[in-house]
Amino acid sequence: AAGVIQSPRHLIKEKRETATLKCYPIPRHDTVYWYQQGPGQDPQFLISFYEKMQSDKGSIPDRFSAQQFSDYHSELNMSSLELGDSALYFCASSFNRESTFGSGTRLTVV
Amino acid sequence: QQQVKQSPQSLIVQKGGISIINCAYENTAFDYFPWYQQFPGKGPALLIAIRPDVSEKKEGRFTISFNKSAKQFSLHIMDSQPGDSATYFCAATPGSARQLTFGSGTQLTVLP
Repeated sequence: AAGVIQSPRHLIKEKRETATLKCYPIPRHDTVYWYQQGPGQDPQFLISFYEKMQSDKGSIPDRFSAQQFSDYHSELNMSSLELGDSALYFCASSFNRESTFGSGTRLTVV
Repeated sequence: QQQVKQSPQSLIVQKGGISIINCAYENTAFDYFPWYQQFPGKGPALLIAIRPDVSEKKEGRFTISFNKSAKQFSLHIMDSQPGDSATYFCAATPGSARQLTFGSGTQLTVLP
């Protein structure tokens, strides 16, 4: 069965650089979420899209933005990167309240 | 402040034993309670979920017990195996939104 696909798997950026993370949800799933997970932490909700419209915002910094495109893939754009942005970033998609997570992008800011 | 409180933080169980992880919540708007299993470097994977209209749900070796009046729910893993060693997260979501609010996680180690 198709899963949630995220790219890249690993990303190393320097401080103040910009990063773009991509997510391809499961076909026919109507909602896409982005979560941030720090080392030893639980995933924290950042932002979600329902049928390509932004639906909810969590603890997402103003330096981050996201969008969902006509083909349903989503991108998380992160600017002015800080050391504290180093984390695992997960995309999830859901149908009927069941969320399926991708394998994540490990972002390291140096 | 953690909206979903999970305990214990870590748990060590012998192979064949029962692993029990507990969660409590305050927000009465929560109406969907899933459990996720996460291996290092991987995304959380849905194990089992329950809605508050039932008190127990069982799938294979995994059982959720739900106490609506106490606002508590727990995961029981029967006949625990070394392959069950992972971090387990409880979560909750209200009907008005779909994003998950996670507990702080329990690192389970099953000894061979």
